[in-house]
Amino acid sequence: DARVTQTPRHKVTEMGQEVTMRCQPILGHNTVFWYRQTMMQGLELLAYFRNRAPLDDSGMPKDRFSAEMPDATLATLKIQPSEPRDSAVYFCASGPPGGRPNEQFFGPGTRLTVL
Amino acid sequence: KQEVTQIPAALSVPEGENLVLNCSFTDSAIYNLQWFRQDPGKGLTSLLLIQSSQREQTSGRLNASLDKSSGRSTLYIAASQPGDSATYLCAVDTGANSKLTFGKGITLSVRP
Repeated sequence: DARVTQTPRHKVTEMGQEVTMRCQPILGHNTVFWYRQTMMQGLELLAYFRNRAPLDDSGMPKDRFSAEMPDATLATLKIQPSEPRDSAVYFCASGPPGGRPNEQFFGPGTRLTVL
Repeated sequence: KQEVTQIPAALSVPEGENLVLNCSFTDSAIYNLQWFRQDPGKGLTSLLLIQSSQREQTSGRLNASLDKSSGRSTLYIAASQPGDSATYLCAVDTGANSKLTFGKGITLSVRP
């Protein structure tokens, strides 16, 4: 069945290293969301794309985070350089074109630990 | 800035009990409100979405209500089962680019 996939599922890295997380939205979906979940802050929207164009990345620290959609089947979230406070679970979600508002399908997440 | 609160953070009940999960939000100018379920180590699954013009939505043993003027929503679970154990999050949409603001969730444990 159609699902959002994310890789890697787990990542442990050292402070200062570059981290790239990947998301494959459900085929045919044209909206992609990146969220970060921590115990302290809960779930926060980092960036949002529609038809591969960024619509809202106001939740993303611009100095170290970047989000792109090289093509319709791949979304990436990059952190460079990574810091311990970036440790969290990062979720990608996709939505269909013309879907009702907020019809978002979530991937399983990437658990990032920065030492 | 919209803030969404879910209290308590955790709840434990015996199997078979009917229960209510609460969600409150500070800005009543919402487009809609959604309840999600999250299992450990998994992503979120949408349970119910209530448009701002609606008062409630039902799906099986779940019923969600919305009182926009008071900034409150409740998720009612009838005849709870151990399989209902999960974290339940509510999220509100203010309409700006379908941006969702999430509560921190309520972790529910249903004891056999």
